[in-house]
Amino acid sequence: DARVTQTPRHKVTEMGQEVTMRCQPILGHNTVFWYRQTMMQGLELLAYFRNRAPLDDSGMPKDRFSAEMPDATLATLKIQPSEPRDSAVYFCASGFGTSGSTDTQYFGPGTRLTVL
Amino acid sequence: DQQVKQNSPSLSVQEGRISILNCDYTNSMFDYFLWYKKYPAEGPTFLISISSIKDKNEDGRFTVFLNKSAKHLSLHIVPSQPGDSAVYFCAANRDFGNEKLTFGTGTRLTIIP
Repeated sequence: DARVTQTPRHKVTEMGQEVTMRCQPILGHNTVFWYRQTMMQGLELLAYFRNRAPLDDSGMPKDRFSAEMPDATLATLKIQPSEPRDSAVYFCASGFGTSGSTDTQYFGPGTRLTVL
Repeated sequence: DQQVKQNSPSLSVQEGRISILNCDYTNSMFDYFLWYKKYPAEGPTFLISISSIKDKNEDGRFTVFLNKSAKHLSLHIVPSQPGDSAVYFCAANRDFGNEKLTFGTGTRLTIIP
């Protein structure tokens, strides 16, 4: 049963600390997305990668957020320094894509981040 | 600016009746629309989609209707079942793709036994 996995599931940290969230996409998927869910904005696309290369990170605050894919089985989202307004649920999703289109996106269970 | 709007944060429906979830969009460039369903502590899962070349798509108990002139789509679930209780997200995209999805804020559907 192939699934997207995310770690940690919950993270509580203090303002100013670095936070790293990890995602393992479904084996064979070449496109990885990062989303943030808040009550006010719903699900927002932060960034996405195809074949480990960033395609779009326009939704991501550049000064404190960074996303990478060190290898095909791991995607990371870092926040440094973290702020209380970053408190949200962060979802990773993966799919198989070609130019301009991706098949169904499969979401992981999310990382609930609380910044005090 | 919220380009995809779900104006009803919550909806309660009796089991066996029809559930109708609504979604409005403002960007006329959107041409592909999706509904995702989310249970607590899980990620969203794809439910059904519709391209702007159609006005209706059906999959079992789920039907999505698209009214392009009104920039409105709706998801009908009939008959509603307790397992349908979840948060439903509407999403939209351009160029018939399925990548840079713009999501709404979600509607929490509760099915009353």
